[in-house]
Amino acid sequence: DQQVKQNSPSLSVQEGRISILNCDYTNSMFDYFLWYKKYPAEGPTFLISISSIKDKNEDGRFTVFLNKSAKHLSLHIVPSQPGDSAVYFCAASLTGTASKLTFGTGTRLQVTL
Amino acid sequence: SQTIHQWPATLVQPVGSPLSLECTVEGTSNPNLYWYRQAAGRGLQLLFYSVGIGQISSEVPQNLSASRPQDRQFILSSKKLLLSDSGFYLCAWSAPLGFGYTFGSGTRLTVV
Repeated sequence: DQQVKQNSPSLSVQEGRISILNCDYTNSMFDYFLWYKKYPAEGPTFLISISSIKDKNEDGRFTVFLNKSAKHLSLHIVPSQPGDSAVYFCAASLTGTASKLTFGTGTRLQVTL
Repeated sequence: SQTIHQWPATLVQPVGSPLSLECTVEGTSNPNLYWYRQAAGRGLQLLFYSVGIGQISSEVPQNLSASRPQDRQFILSSKKLLLSDSGFYLCAWSAPLGFGYTFGSGTRLTVV
């Protein structure tokens, strides 16, 4: 049972344009959401997060939007840069569960010149 | 500052051989520790987590086991590897009441 889903396995965007990565979840009890970025043969690194009490969080070129009623979150990267090419994982957490994260299957972003 | 070390970086093992992957964390006390696996074409699957010494929770039945002999040491083991154990193994830590993980650099395991 995949509680966190990233339905687009890959995405290609031109440099300078906006990248939008999507994530859906099924468990309405999730209350904290994170995005991680992963390069090949490396561990994922934290990118940005959002609490369920908010609907938007922005950090430089990265913005995460949360739509609780739709159980949907998205990551916007603008402008996209070649160095953004990586696999992006969304993750969700339940309060009081030893901060365990449930990850999506990932979306591979390719930013082209 | 906190750091996490995971080794080895790559490993090629024959079917039926034992496995031991080690992960250590520095600069923090009583971390939550996690082992994840990323199989080819799949997401990150939680294998084990630990909230303290000797406390191990298994998320999925499998051919692997985990141990936490010291506060900041987490070990992933197998007595006999299967081909299906191949994958990219990641160790991670989090603060006891914090959100989000810091991951190690991963181990690429190929069982042949």
